[in-house]
Amino acid sequence: DGGITQSPKYLFRKEGQNVTLSCEQNLNHDAMYWYRQDPGQGLRLIYYSQIVNDFQKGDIAEGYSVSREKKESFPLTVTSAQKNPTAFYLCASSIEGNPAGEQYFGPGTRLTVT
Amino acid sequence: GENVEQHPSTLSVQEGDSAVIKCTYSDSASNYFPWYKQELGKRPQLIIDIRSNVGEKKDQRIAVTLNKTAKHFSLHITETQPEDSAVYFCAARQEYGNKLVFGAGTILRVKS
Repeated sequence: DGGITQSPKYLFRKEGQNVTLSCEQNLNHDAMYWYRQDPGQGLRLIYYSQIVNDFQKGDIAEGYSVSREKKESFPLTVTSAQKNPTAFYLCASSIEGNPAGEQYFGPGTRLTVT
Repeated sequence: GENVEQHPSTLSVQEGDSAVIKCTYSDSASNYFPWYKQELGKRPQLIIDIRSNVGEKKDQRIAVTLNKTAKHFSLHITETQPEDSAVYFCAARQEYGNKLVFGAGTILRVKS
């Protein structure tokens, strides 16, 4: 299960607090992604980054922010503006530039906000 | 943008039977279609994928078929086993693009 890691596995926060989820990969992949998984809704794209110092909004970016200062790291901040932040968050990475290829997923972080 | 619909949402089969999960997509420019398997509490993992220049691809008990005209693709699992029980997701993406659009998932239960 090496290659792409997320920490922590479980995270609990009080409403109104910002929280940052970690995602690190040692696969030398250029592209990284953040998905949110809710029951019955599949995986929805929050943000993605194709190269260091660049990222684009996905389908549900409101209330989230990211940075991509290093190729290996793509942290996600869930801000207090996110109305329903409790969910399972998955990070993924893939090789950039070839024809569309496999995305490799991290083990996920389950965030609970009360 | 792309929209992917997946059916059924749940599927129960007897061990040894076949299982079929179907997906439709809306964007005719999409030409890469992966299938992911997610076991309970674990990360999604790619089990098979197909590109639009082929109509079918097989890997042991798993096969995927693609109908570009109708814009639908299907996952076929033969001789199902209890370890096949999981959530399966289909997805679609334009070639050279990076955004995967996922279906809502199918919970497959294989009864022994």
